[in-house]
Formats: sequence, C-alpha cells, structure tokens
Amino acid sequence: QSALTQPASVSGSPGQSITISCTGTSSDVGTYDYVSWYQQHPGKAPKLMIYDVSNRPSGVSNRFSGSKSGNTASLTISGLQAEDEADYYCSSYTSSSTRVFGGGTKLTVL
Amino acid sequence: QVQLQESGPGLVKPSETLSLTCTVSGVSMSSYYWSWIRQPPGKGLEWIGYISYSGSTNYNPSLKSRVTISLDTSNNQFSLKLSSVTAADTAVYYCSRGGRKQNFDYWGQGTLVTVSS
Repeated sequence: QSALTQPASVSGSPGQSITISCTGTSSDVGTYDYVSWYQQHPGKAPKLMIYDVSNRPSGVSNRFSGSKSGNTASLTISGLQAEDEADYYCSSYTSSSTRVFGGGTKLTVL
Repeated sequence: QVQLQESGPGLVKPSETLSLTCTVSGVSMSSYYWSWIRQPPGKGLEWIGYISYSGSTNYNPSLKSRVTISLDTSNNQFSLKLSSVTAADTAVYYCSRGGRKQNFDYWGQGTLVTVSS
C-alpha cells in the first residue's frame, strides 16, 4: 500500500488559517470516511485531533476542522497559534482492512 | 485514565528478532483494536499492524512476512515480534489503541529500538 500524499511543509502567521491536504485513492480516502488527523510535537507521541473526517475528540480546540472531497481530505487550522507548530499526519482505513498514514506535514508558525 | 507503556530491548542485532510488549492500563482490552506504529528517526509514521480483541490480526503488506502481533488479555498486554531485522528497522516504536476502523486515540510514549551489531 502506498502512503497518503501530504505537502512536506506549510506555514502561516499567527491568527491566519492554513489547510493541509491528504490525497489518497479510491481504495482508501475516496471510499471510506475513516480519515483521522494527528498532531506530533518534537519528541512526543502523536495526538488525535480529528477522526472520521470531521469529528473532534473532547478537549481539542474548535480551531481544528476536517473535511473531505473525493480522494482528498483536508485539515484546517484557524486562528493559528504558536503552539500549533508541529508535524501533522493523516491516516485512512483501506479496502484491505489495513491502515495507512500520510508522509507528514511540518507546520511552521511564522 | 487509559495508559499504554512499551517495553523491550533498546538494541537488537541485525538478523535477529525485535520483541516489544505494550502494557495497557485503565481500560479493558475488550471491544478495541490494538496497533503497533513506528517512526524512523526524522521520518514519518508507519503503521505496522493491529490485533483485535478476539485475536484476529492484519499487517502492513510491506512487513507482513516478518511481523507477528499477539494478545494476552489476562495481563492486559499485546506484543510485537519483527524478525530478520536490519538497520532500516531502527525506529521509535509506538503502541496505540486503534486499528481497522477505530482511530488511534491513545498512544504509548514510544520506545527507540536501534538495530546494530
């Protein structure tokens, strides 16, 4: 299975909004709504931020939102804050009943 | 609260078998899937495989021939064995609750395993 495709890096200024894309195929993102997003700060374990395309776990800021169109899922962070600077990974369920991650996106808050 | 903790050797010799255990506390292992995920230094996350509460497994096709995940519900643990390791298997290994259609909602702190003679 191939990794989902994410941009290597994105950046934005405090207060701005950014969007990270996650492109898969009809065998994963395009067919199933089991797409999740994870935030990882250096040296830390990943943290679930969005699940099932657009749902936020309890305790996650409503500045984080998710969506999907066709084979591409997206994570949007509004009102960017310095603490949002981290690596972000998407993950999807696949037609083989496996899971696959994206390559990761480094978010820089300018 | 739910906690996961990885344990096992931090150094494994090439061609040998990497063995790790994840101890789960704060929740019954029933009704959930449990996964192993790894991250080579400076690189992204790679899903290794999962085991269900009933013991069924599924593995990353690229690792399938070398991976075994097992479950010990009596001790609230699940384990990873990766055989014939090479330097490319050097990574931080995480255990996580989730897999199949369940999200990875709880993670261990991760353990670095280095493959070197």
